[in-house]
Amino acid sequence: AQRVTQPEKLLSVFKGAPVELKCNYSYSGSPELFWYVQYSRQRLQLLLRHISRESIKGFTADLNKGETSFHLKKPFAQEEDSAMYYCALHTNAGKSTFGDGTTLTVKP
Amino acid sequence: DAMVIQNPRYQVTQFGKPVTLSCSQTLNHNVMYWYQQKSSQAPKLLFHYYDKDFNNEADTPDNFQSRRPNTSFCFLDIRSPGLGDAAMYLCATSRDLQSSYNEQFFGPGTRLTVL
Repeated sequence: AQRVTQPEKLLSVFKGAPVELKCNYSYSGSPELFWYVQYSRQRLQLLLRHISRESIKGFTADLNKGETSFHLKKPFAQEEDSAMYYCALHTNAGKSTFGDGTTLTVKP
Repeated sequence: DAMVIQNPRYQVTQFGKPVTLSCSQTLNHNVMYWYQQKSSQAPKLLFHYYDKDFNNEADTPDNFQSRRPNTSFCFLDIRSPGLGDAAMYLCATSRDLQSSYNEQFFGPGTRLTVL
């Protein structure tokens, strides 16, 4: 069975501070990990995916298979980053597992 | 804009009264998903369609059914809603299941209340 764990329900940082949202997973196959974001009163949308290895809105995430982690990082948080963030694992069989989400608040 | 649309946005039903939630997409994606999300919890996959092939999750109750009459539309039927079925129901699509095409696009959700 696959599992995604986001240990922090709430995370609060000040503007300009670094931020890291943690995600750990368990999956016996080759994982495909994603971060989705939900801004206030908006729908869930993709932030980034591990295979693209790109930076989106200053966020990066590296898949660490040894630690089974896919933590989301940003060196300098902005107020507009305040949102709910979900880590997710998708398989090519169509099975999708989401973490419980982390609410990030960036204070001015 | 191409998108995923869910109707209605809010649905109130009575205990035991069948209810249908609707999802449509203009993305022409092969895969459509239904998720249940309860307060402060993760979206939980109920089932997905790959084209016309229906794939049920093992722990999805029989009370939940789905129909996909064509590429654009997918319905979630709850045959006898219980109080525990009150939740946000999310519809999502992806172009395919394979890597590089499996990013999911979400609708705004339908919030179901069971009285």
